[in-house]
Amino acid sequence: NAGVTQTPKFQVLKTGQSMTLQCAQDMNHEYMSWYRQDPGMGLRLIHYSVGAGITDQGEVPNGYNVSRSTTEDFPLRLLSAAPSQTSVYFCASSYSSQGGYNEQFFGPGTRLTVL
Amino acid sequence: KNEVEQSPQNLTAQEGEFITINCSYSVGISALHWLQQHPGGGIVSLFMLSSGKKKHGRLIATINIQEKHSSLHITASHPRDSAVYICAAPPGETSGSRLTFGEGTQLTVNP
Repeated sequence: NAGVTQTPKFQVLKTGQSMTLQCAQDMNHEYMSWYRQDPGMGLRLIHYSVGAGITDQGEVPNGYNVSRSTTEDFPLRLLSAAPSQTSVYFCASSYSSQGGYNEQFFGPGTRLTVL
Repeated sequence: KNEVEQSPQNLTAQEGEFITINCSYSVGISALHWLQQHPGGGIVSLFMLSSGKKKHGRLIATINIQEKHSSLHITASHPRDSAVYICAAPPGETSGSRLTFGEGTQLTVNP
């Protein structure tokens, strides 16, 4: 199993550009989530999904969109990149919709810089 | 939201020392996570525990649900233990879709 994969590993954008961060898992996990990690702050939840076709907002959803058309994939879209979105982004998955009560599996992260 | 606080923020130890990292949370829960973030950035789950103590190699995690407190101990620390250690808690006892993360403890173990 590849586990949780994320692409790209690094990305530089200009303000106003859009892009999609890809996340895929091959463990048939129901629950997937996107976090951002900023210096001096804990991981913060952007969006999450408890199954295909179901998504919901997390703590910091503004400026991001998600969709979950399949169990395996959970892409994160930046609609119009801003310097405040410079961060490291992690995708995670776990077995059931009770994500907080199951072991979390993390992707390797995407380091995004917005100029 | 469950507020999660870790201490210390930074910890430097000599190889072989016993290390303790603390985590406290504000809302009663049924499980707590300890994670390790390597210098290269990858995050792995170390423990998920709901009561008592769990041990994996030189790592020991304990939790006191009533006091809303958990500790991560490392015995006979080694430079390869240098990493950021993160605790995380779900929002409550019955709703577990979201985790709130502490800021992390940066551990450096010197040879």
